Amino acid sequence: QEQLQESGPGLVKPSETLSLTCAVSGSSISSAYYWAWIRQPPGKGLEWIASFRHSVSTYYNPSLKSRVTVSVDTSENHFSLKLSSVTAADTALYYCARPIVPSTRVAFHIWGQGTMVTVSS
Amino acid sequence: QSALTQPASVSGSPGQSITISCTGTTSDVGGYNYVSWYQQHPGKAPKLMIYEVSNRPSGISNRFSGSKSGNTASLTISGLQAEDEADYYCSSYTSSSTLVVFGGGTKLTVL
Repeated sequence: QEQLQESGPGLVKPSETLSLTCAVSGSSISSAYYWAWIRQPPGKGLEWIASFRHSVSTYYNPSLKSRVTVSVDTSENHFSLKLSSVTAADTALYYCARPIVPSTRVAFHIWGQGTMVTVSS
Repeated sequence: QSALTQPASVSGSPGQSITISCTGTTSDVGGYNYVSWYQQHPGKAPKLMIYEVSNRPSGISNRFSGSKSGNTASLTISGLQAEDEADYYCSSYTSSSTLVVFGGGTKLTVL
């Protein structure tokens, strides 16, 4: 059964870089799927951050693009998110997710449990 | 402000049907059949309920159905049950510089 598991520090200082990893089990990160990062500020709605297909293309939310980097480690079968120059507005529950079928990049069926990141000094 | 517009809240009694709307533009909802709906219970990850406007993933009850007319997509839940009480989000592929946009979410209360 395919599973996604986010991990990373729960507390990041303002102006520093947030770094998260999504470990994928039951599927290959090199498959035809577009893998995604999505976040949800406390009490608020969902915000898409980025989606990528390994060695094909990457899409970023324009409002975050200048601060976001997505990378892949095929040997560990995981992918990572780095968000630089964080502020309190980046405090959120961060999810990694995968669409239901490769042909759709935007219907997210498999989700991690989410990891809460708080930006505070 | 979210790219897709949803009502903040809807309510219904057990056994009734409710519909949640999701309004976008011709660049997203109206232009493509890539609308999805998610259910989110408190403290849980979102769950895909509908994709590509009207398709249900395996295991999703046929009480949940999706449709689209013009720039507005709709999620209908029939035979409301207590466990349907949750937040619901729509999303769509978009041809703008963003790949996908979400609605602001709708809180469903089962009276």
